[in-house]
Amino acid sequence: EAGVAQSPRYKIIEKRQSVAFWCNPISGHATLYWYQQILGQGPKLLIQFQNNGVVDDSQLPKDRFSAERLKGVDSTLKIQPAKLEDSAVYLCASSLDGAPGYEQYFGPGTRLTVT
Amino acid sequence: SQKIEQNSEALNIQEGKTATLTCNYTNYSPAYLQWYRQDPGRGPVFLLLIRENEKEKRKERLKVTFDTTLKQSLFHITASQPADSATYLCALLSGNTPLVFGKGTRLSVIA
Repeated sequence: EAGVAQSPRYKIIEKRQSVAFWCNPISGHATLYWYQQILGQGPKLLIQFQNNGVVDDSQLPKDRFSAERLKGVDSTLKIQPAKLEDSAVYLCASSLDGAPGYEQYFGPGTRLTVT
Repeated sequence: SQKIEQNSEALNIQEGKTATLTCNYTNYSPAYLQWYRQDPGRGPVFLLLIRENEKEKRKERLKVTFDTTLKQSLFHITASQPADSATYLCALLSGNTPLVFGKGTRLSVIA
């Protein structure tokens, strides 16, 4: 079974530029998550989708971050404009269902550096 | 405010010994607790889940305990091997809140 795919793996941009990340979850997984992991910290949930609907985006900085999940499969996360503090690894995860108890499968992440 | 603390940033142990990692939480009533392993440059990998009404869970050389009175989970790796060296993250989940991760403990098993 193929895992969660993410691209690009690395991205370097200047502050105030925009950037987009792509995620392809495991086939058949209804729930998709985007996390931000700052160096030395645990992952922090940014947004959770159930199929193509948003379940939780309470920690998403909506003035600069946006995400969509087209047709309930692939997802993109965008930052516009980027700030220095956005430097982090952006992890995508998926699970069969968003109900408690279902394990999440993580992709390798995209390491973003904002200069 | 809700807080999750993992006992230390780094833990070094000798090969063959049992590694014990601690996860404490405050101002939180999790229904589930999960442990993940994360290697450098990779996403976390799920290891074990334990529910609030379970005291202990085992999987091969791994054992997790969950004490809701002490607000603590212990994660044990018995007969540790250098290949067990990684960062271990605990994560808490309650009914209506998303998964919340601790900062992790970096385990080094020395041959």
